[in-house]
Amino acid sequence: AQRVTQPEKLLSVFKGAPVELKCNYSYSGSPELFWYVQYSRQRLQLLLRHISRESIKGFTADLNKGETSFHLKKPFAQEEDSAMYYCALHPYNAGGTSYGKLTFGQGTILTVHP
Amino acid sequence: DAGVIQSPRHEVTEMGQEVTLRCKPISGHDYLFWYRQTMMRGLELLIYFNNNVPIDDSGMPEDRFSAKMPNASFSTLKIQPSEPRDSAVYFCASSFRGLAFFGQGTRLTVV
Repeated sequence: AQRVTQPEKLLSVFKGAPVELKCNYSYSGSPELFWYVQYSRQRLQLLLRHISRESIKGFTADLNKGETSFHLKKPFAQEEDSAMYYCALHPYNAGGTSYGKLTFGQGTILTVHP
Repeated sequence: DAGVIQSPRHEVTEMGQEVTLRCKPISGHDYLFWYRQTMMRGLELLIYFNNNVPIDDSGMPEDRFSAKMPNASFSTLKIQPSEPRDSAVYFCASSFRGLAFFGQGTRLTVV
């Protein structure tokens, strides 16, 4: 069974400070990892997926298979980054077949103060 | 495509009443998920379907909850009878090759 852990429920930083939202996972196969963001009272929307290896809104995330982590980072936080962030895992087996079940962590509420 | 569409956006009902939440997934997506979001528990997976077939309903809290997907373009989540502790935001999501898109959610309040 897969599991996603986001150890911090709340994270507060000041504008311009670096921010790191932690995500650890457990899964015996090859996972695909995602970060979703939910702004106040809106739908969840995809922020990043690890296979894309791109930066969105200044955020990056690197999959570390050794540490089973997929931490989300931004060097200079902005007030508009304040939101709920969810890390999610999509499992694949050794043969590359998707199991389909998308498992989310508990989420981290990021608050960026002016 | 208009994305995943959920209705109603808000629902206020009295305890004991039946509640039906509706979802229209994105055309061509082969997975559909129902999630419940609360402050206490975060985002919980209730049930998911693959090609209209229920795959895992272990997250459905009680027999009062049921979900159907009669065809590829429609799914319902029903609560009967509803209770105040069912108050939450219910999200539907559809996915293809692991990439999921969420609806706007239904905010359910049971009084």
